[in-house]
Amino acid sequence: KAGVTQTPRYLIKTRGQQVTLSCSPISGHRSVSWYQQTPGQGLQFLFEYFSETQRNKGNFPGRFSGRQFSNSRSEMNVSTLELGDSALYLCASSQPTGAYGYTFGSGTRLTVV
Amino acid sequence: DAKTTQPTSMDCAEGRAANLPCNHSTISGNEYVYWYRQIHSQGPQYIIHGLKNNETNEMASLIITEDRKSSTLILPHATLRDTAVYYCIVRVASNRDDKIIFGKGTRLHILP
Repeated sequence: KAGVTQTPRYLIKTRGQQVTLSCSPISGHRSVSWYQQTPGQGLQFLFEYFSETQRNKGNFPGRFSGRQFSNSRSEMNVSTLELGDSALYLCASSQPTGAYGYTFGSGTRLTVV
Repeated sequence: DAKTTQPTSMDCAEGRAANLPCNHSTISGNEYVYWYRQIHSQGPQYIIHGLKNNETNEMASLIITEDRKSSTLILPHATLRDTAVYYCIVRVASNRDDKIIFGKGTRLHILP
């Protein structure tokens, strides 16, 4: 079966712009989580969506937002980009219940210049 | 904050067993131990998880101590492709609190 698909794979934006990243989970997975990975901070949890509702949120400013659609696809948006937002953004999906592992996508590498 | 402690890095000779330790002394009764690994610039890959019994799959074995305060991931015959950062995570398997808090992980170097 198809894995978690993230688009685009690479992105270059200018400070002050906004960006939207997309994530398509594995078919049947209704939970989608987003993570930011930087060399200095490692993997940090952004937020998690389940059935179009945000269930959990990490410690990020309001410039970071997300949403989930009825088909479980998810998008995250970062407004007013800063140089420090340059990172690998990872999406993961999982089964709705039970002790299942997450499946991660390959990520979107965002560079802010 | 992450609830696990792992060594920053480890070396292992190719073909030997790689044993990666993890301490999770504050683990709760309903928390599972999960292991993931991340090969450079790819998304983390699920390896194995367990609650209290030892587990084995095609990738690795997971040994959890009886008091559940620590565990060891075993890669039985390490290859160069096993070079990666390995993350040990504790997580409640519930659909109401579904997030993973990653620590810094262990950078495993497989030596030829």
